[in-house]
Amino acid sequence: DAGITQSPRYKITETGRQVTLMCHQTWSHSYMFWYRQDLGHGLRLIYYSAAADITDKGEVPDGYVVSRSKTENFPLTLESATRSQTSVYFCASSESLGLGLDNSPLHFGNGTRLTVT
Amino acid sequence: LAKTTQPISMDSYEGQEVNITCSHNNIATNDYITWYQQFPSQGPRFIIQGYKTKVTNEVASLFIPADRKSSTLSLPRVSLSDTAVYYCLVGVYSSASKIIFGSGTRLSIRP
Repeated sequence: DAGITQSPRYKITETGRQVTLMCHQTWSHSYMFWYRQDLGHGLRLIYYSAAADITDKGEVPDGYVVSRSKTENFPLTLESATRSQTSVYFCASSESLGLGLDNSPLHFGNGTRLTVT
Repeated sequence: LAKTTQPISMDSYEGQEVNITCSHNNIATNDYITWYQQFPSQGPRFIIQGYKTKVTNEVASLFIPADRKSSTLSLPRVSLSDTAVYYCLVGVYSSASKIIFGSGTRLSIRP
């Protein structure tokens, strides 16, 4: 979707380096998410955010840091990259996570393919 | 969170109707059923969501029997461009950490 963009599209970095993946959405959605996708594991939730300055861990948070100072941005930082963090990273946003018809879907970006050498 | 089971892969031909069934025996009263589609090198895309009976939109239909222990995504007259991975999710989504994607069903459409 044009409303959520990730950058860079591809990134190669070395073990031990810090790298930040960017995510920007134009819908003013409250919720934002970071997933990683690896062969054999499907999509796994790393971190999510319910609003600016509110973040929480997902299934696989170790080695990652997030921040959300503005509603539209949700950067993901690998503080010291490891080879096991080689993956495709997807950012997503959602309007709400309420019950019933408020179950708004997730809108995903096109991903960042990260290779750690 | 209700666990879902769906076939790992399916094959079909252009012009056929494709039905992908998802099993969710432990679905809770407030759970909704949502399907996403993912093309290579893209993020998943919402297709359809339902609670019971039948839901239809411009892309697909979703059939949910009375006991809600399974659901079937129906893609009418598929084309090569429907080749993708399809994910079935079940949950209330009251907690963001419970939006869990499984491995999905890899659908391959042949000419």
